[in-house]
Amino acid sequence: DGGITQSPKYLFRKEGQNVTLSCEQNLNHDAMYWYRQDPGQGLRLIYYSQIVNDFQKGDIAEGYSVSREKKESFPLTVTSAQKNPTAFYLCASSIADSGSYEQYFGPGTRLTVT
Amino acid sequence: GQNIDQPTEMTATEGAIVQINCTYQTSGFNGLFWYQQHAGEAPTFLSYNVLDGLEEKGRFSSFLSRSKGYSYLLLKELQMKDSASYLCAVRDSNYQLIWGAGTKLIIKP
Repeated sequence: DGGITQSPKYLFRKEGQNVTLSCEQNLNHDAMYWYRQDPGQGLRLIYYSQIVNDFQKGDIAEGYSVSREKKESFPLTVTSAQKNPTAFYLCASSIADSGSYEQYFGPGTRLTVT
Repeated sequence: GQNIDQPTEMTATEGAIVQINCTYQTSGFNGLFWYQQHAGEAPTFLSYNVLDGLEEKGRFSSFLSRSKGYSYLLLKELQMKDSASYLCAVRDSNYQLIWGAGTKLIIKP
């Protein structure tokens, strides 16, 4: 079955540690996205990539980094510079970053930093 | 700035009809999406509107008025499994998706 996988579902880290969240898709989609979801707020875009080896900052990129070395993979690193990293992180992909193409979401990773 | 407004929470009865409204103010408009998100899970796509009017898809319909910056999602014959958050998102002039905070729908028997 085609889809997007994120692992792990729950992740716990100590403050000051970097952590990498994985996102893999086998939908052959060109565009991939990372969002952060906090209670009472809309999804906020962290980074997005429209093609391999290229990515752009979203609205809240500070304290995060990404890579897009393969079409299928778009890992997100939450660095120690991110002031409030505890959140639900969602990865998504779409055929293209335009028009009626909807985004398909992975199951999410809930990160808790203490 | 860009803004999307939805009611925070709504309650409805099983078997009834509910309308969830979404108003938006964005820099440009290139389509509006509705997604369903069950608690702790990923959002799933429900509908897309780019032209004015009503799009019907089974028990769910979505309406758009671009001149009013307004959309609604209509859910008919409500079932308990429809208890979820409903997210409205608008694609702006840069083709970025701007997301509302979502409407939590509670269905009572």
